[in-house]
Amino acid sequence: AQKVTQAQTEISVVEKEDVTLDCVYETRDTTYYLFWYKQPPSGELVFLIRRNSFDEQNEISGRYSWNFQKSTSSFNFTITASQVVDSAVYFCALSDLSNTGNQFYFGTGTSLTVIP
Amino acid sequence: NAGVTQTPKFQVLKTGQSMTLQCAQDMNHEYMSWYRQDPGMGLRLIHYSVGAGITDQGEVPNGYNVSRSTTEDFPLRLLSAAPSQTSVYFCASSYSIPAGGKTDTQYFGPGTRLTVL
Repeated sequence: AQKVTQAQTEISVVEKEDVTLDCVYETRDTTYYLFWYKQPPSGELVFLIRRNSFDEQNEISGRYSWNFQKSTSSFNFTITASQVVDSAVYFCALSDLSNTGNQFYFGTGTSLTVIP
Repeated sequence: NAGVTQTPKFQVLKTGQSMTLQCAQDMNHEYMSWYRQDPGMGLRLIHYSVGAGITDQGEVPNGYNVSRSTTEDFPLRLLSAAPSQTSVYFCASSYSIPAGGKTDTQYFGPGTRLTVL
């Protein structure tokens, strides 16, 4: 069965600190995709990154970086030098070939608060 | 492109009332879906469509109907609203469905916050 676990329900950091959001997934498929979405207080869901299971190269985009490790089934997200605008709920999601409809399996989200 | 649009943004219903949540996209996406977001539960798939005229159930379809008469529109109907359907509803779309190992990023609308009294 597919499952995405975000064990951290809420995290608070002081501005300029680094913070890592954890994501652990379960799937039987060898081909799958992982995603991160950001949901700011305004409520919309903003796509951040997509990673396929054959690409374990870590990615950096500005202050954001992602660490994909198949050995531990993890896809962690790090924000460097956090800013108040990073305050949001972050969702990790999994999509694999076990379904016919491009279904995303979402984690329960991590609420990040960056304190000025 | 407007992307994925949803109307209304907010809605209050009484138990037993029916209504339709509208979703439209102007990106010529084949795949569209509806999710509901509840506190502590992430997003759960209600229904999805892989193209005009084709719909299927997701994880939590009971109490909801959908149709897909055009590529652009994918309305979600609540036949007889219940308090358990109080939630935030998101519509999403993407170019393709899983085929040959491919999947595609889903883009979400702004959401509809529904309260059923």
